[in-house]
Amino acid sequence: KNEVEQSPQNLTAQEGEFITINCSYSVGISALHWLQQHPGGGIVSLFMLSSGKKKHGRLIATINIQEKHSSLHITASHPRDSAVYICAVGGGDSNYQLIWGAGTKLIIKP
Amino acid sequence: DTEVTQTPKHLVMGMTNKKSLKCEQHMGHRAMYWYKQKAKKPPELMFVYSYEKLSINESVPSRFSPECPNSSLLNLHLHALQPEDSALYLCASSWGGGANEKLFFGSGTQLSVL
Repeated sequence: KNEVEQSPQNLTAQEGEFITINCSYSVGISALHWLQQHPGGGIVSLFMLSSGKKKHGRLIATINIQEKHSSLHITASHPRDSAVYICAVGGGDSNYQLIWGAGTKLIIKP
Repeated sequence: DTEVTQTPKHLVMGMTNKKSLKCEQHMGHRAMYWYKQKAKKPPELMFVYSYEKLSINESVPSRFSPECPNSSLLNLHLHALQPEDSALYLCASSWGGGANEKLFFGSGTQLSVL
């Protein structure tokens, strides 16, 4: 079993839909990261959180430390949100190493 | 300036070539990273420099040689690579290093080894 599990692996939705991507982890962490990667390109850090909830524009990230679970929500989804969304956790044995989820490929159709 | 700049964006090299990847940031970050990413896989950490000293080498073959000339620059020297080294190479930086810091990534170098 992977230490960081994301679901779903793939998600296709219509423009305007509310999107939820889930991340569960089995290790102790100091922080959880949500990142976005467009095809062929670099990675953008969306959120880093250790408790509660963060919001940036149409994106919302929540984390429940007791349940070892985090969600990334996208409201009013748009085709430009199409990307791979990756959850990664840090703070285990290594000070620098993140444990990465496999990513969720999101496609938003117009 | 919140950019991490990587050059070149694409690189094709033969197994006997020597080439270098370059990474630059001007955010005052003191930790810089090299990651390797194969298609449809998450990034794998290769090297970490913290305050211009190599802090982590994740058992990377010696045909990859990192260099940090100063706090703004990070190079990855490539020599005698194998076809399986073909991948996207990503540079990242953060304030001082640590898994609870926000990472800033470059757009990557897509490397093909023939």
